[in-house]
Amino acid sequence: GENVEQHPSTLSVQEGDSAVIKCTYSDSASNYFPWYKQELGKRPQLIIDIRSNVGEKKDQRIAVTLNKTAKHFSLHITETQPEDSAVYFCAASTGGFKTIFGAGTRLFVKA
Amino acid sequence: GAVVSQHPSWVICKSGTSVKIECRSLDFQATTMFWYRQFPKQSLMLMATSNEGSKATYEQGVEKDKFLINHASLTLSTLTVTSAHPEDSSFYICSARPATGTLNTEAFFGQGTRLTVV
Repeated sequence: GENVEQHPSTLSVQEGDSAVIKCTYSDSASNYFPWYKQELGKRPQLIIDIRSNVGEKKDQRIAVTLNKTAKHFSLHITETQPEDSAVYFCAASTGGFKTIFGAGTRLFVKA
Repeated sequence: GAVVSQHPSWVICKSGTSVKIECRSLDFQATTMFWYRQFPKQSLMLMATSNEGSKATYEQGVEKDKFLINHASLTLSTLTVTSAHPEDSSFYICSARPATGTLNTEAFFGQGTRLTVV
């Protein structure tokens, strides 16, 4: 079945540095790739998404890239801040709207 | 953004009893809702797809007789954990999308329900 792999599982960076999280997906029919941020005990919140007809998308300090051929997509956070500390999930979704999540990356931003 | 409300936010029940969790889309209609389960420090695992007016579609390994799903209206889906046991203790969370035809869009999540079975 569909599978989404996410790396690394834990990422620790110094405030101001960049953070990169990488994901791969297995279902070539996937056409929508959202990234969610989840704080402890709370619901996931969408931070950025990208569709399969776009290779890159940027929103202020956050950017996402997609390589459809390789089935890779990545999240880039620049100028990290302590409030960026959370768990980040990548996900892949097909036309049927079913969304499969990666295992998550716990990001620590040290002040 | 669109609002999805989940109730209750937490529940403690005795082993052997059943618990019902509601998921409502407050400002949009959702023909499809999704139920996830999340263990501590783990990812969201899709349990089932709830389809309005028809049977839910369960993921492999999820017992449909244990996790009963009903999607009676375009704004409400319910998950009932039947004969709950301590191993069913988890964070259950639903999601829904506004109906936009075939265009894939952001899913909105309920606030989640923390179930503890004692």
